[in-house]
Amino acid sequence: QQQVKQSPQSLIVQKGGISIINCAYENTAFDYFPWYQQFPGKGPALLIAIRPDVSEKKEGRFTISFNKSAKQFSLHIMDSQPGDSATYFCAASSVNRGSTLGRLYFGRGTQLTVWP
Amino acid sequence: DTAVSQTPKYLVTQMGNDKSIKCEQNLGHDTMYWYKQDSKKFLKIMFSYNNKELIINETVPNRFSPKSPDKAHLNLHINSLELGDSAVYFCASSQDVPEETQYFGPGTRLLVL
Repeated sequence: QQQVKQSPQSLIVQKGGISIINCAYENTAFDYFPWYQQFPGKGPALLIAIRPDVSEKKEGRFTISFNKSAKQFSLHIMDSQPGDSATYFCAASSVNRGSTLGRLYFGRGTQLTVWP
Repeated sequence: DTAVSQTPKYLVTQMGNDKSIKCEQNLGHDTMYWYKQDSKKFLKIMFSYNNKELIINETVPNRFSPKSPDKAHLNLHINSLELGDSAVYFCASSQDVPEETQYFGPGTRLLVL
């Protein structure tokens, strides 16, 4: 069972546009929500992360919006650039993780293509 | 200096063979992981070790056996390789603190013929 559901599977955006990727979760024990970015031929790397005590976190052109009641969070990429073309993964974990130390539950990924 | 390194980068082998993938991290992290990424980019955790102790063991065929000789190394041995094992295998590591970032290696691209 997929603990974190991610959509869309693929996204094509024109340069300068806004890219939006959505994720949803069911487990209310989740309290840490990172996004990872993966370029072709590379391993994923942390992009930005949020805790549920805030509704938004912004780092440069990247913003996470978090809706605790709806159990949803999303990544917004403003002024999307061709260099942003990559696969994006949302994830979730529980700080009080008990026996599953460090376990991240990943979404299935969104392949973003930004056309120049 | 590479934080998380894996060898080999590419591995092409015949069905039925046994192969190993090595992983080393120089970040001083306590926890290491193995992930499998299929052709659809889905990242699936396989194993996690904390201070050489197995913590997470997902539903993985017992042909896959991780070994952690020390905190900085986590190797993956695969027996009797099957076509469905073809994938990219990523090693990752993290510190044992809340909200720890997982640092991924460059991946090993395994192709079973």
